[in-house]
Amino acid sequence: QVQLVQSGAEVKKPGASVKVSCKASGNTFSDYYMHWVRQAPGQGPEWMGWINPKTGDTKYAQKFQGWVTMTRDTSISTAYLELTRLTSDDTAVYYCARDLCWTGGDFYYYGMDVWGQGTTVAVSS
Amino acid sequence: QSALTQPASVSGSPGQSITISCTGSSGDVGSFKYVSWYQQEPGKAPKLMIYGVSNRPSGVSNRFSGSKSGNTASLTISGLQAGDEADYYCSSYTTSTTLFGGGTKLTVL
Repeated sequence: QVQLVQSGAEVKKPGASVKVSCKASGNTFSDYYMHWVRQAPGQGPEWMGWINPKTGDTKYAQKFQGWVTMTRDTSISTAYLELTRLTSDDTAVYYCARDLCWTGGDFYYYGMDVWGQGTTVAVSS
Repeated sequence: QSALTQPASVSGSPGQSITISCTGSSGDVGSFKYVSWYQQEPGKAPKLMIYGVSNRPSGVSNRFSGSKSGNTASLTISGLQAGDEADYYCSSYTTSTTLFGGGTKLTVL
């Protein structure tokens, strides 16, 4: 059973950057697309984008283009989410989540079947 | 694009059936078979309950079912149990993004 284990909680000041990691167990890391989703306190999930771990291709939600970067290191089965120019509005729990969609073809959103435990990022002066 | 529209809350008694609706548009729910539903308990990550409109992942009870008609998708839970009490979110593919609904709080009376 695949598991996604994320890095620990972060506290940042406005204007800073943060990098969250998501390590996958098993040997299927490159086989499925990986999403990043965030959830602000008391709010529903918000999709941020996905990365194809096999190729490194990414797609970002429009609001995150230019200040969010998704990368991966296949040698250690780990995906990364970096956010820059943080504001208090970025205070949220950040999740990585594996899609059922296989990276051997085009992306279609089948559904996120495996989730990390979440990483809390708090932005405060 | 706007979030998908769900009722803020629904409730039912044990053993009853409830349905949660998720209304989108012809650009998302209405055009694609890629609608999924998630259950989220407080302090936990969401859990996939339905994918591809009506498919259940392995391990999800057959009391959970999904359907779609036009621009509206629905999640039905039959034989309601106390353990079903949680927040439920729908989600849909679009060509430019992935949308989530605002969430529905299910209360088991």
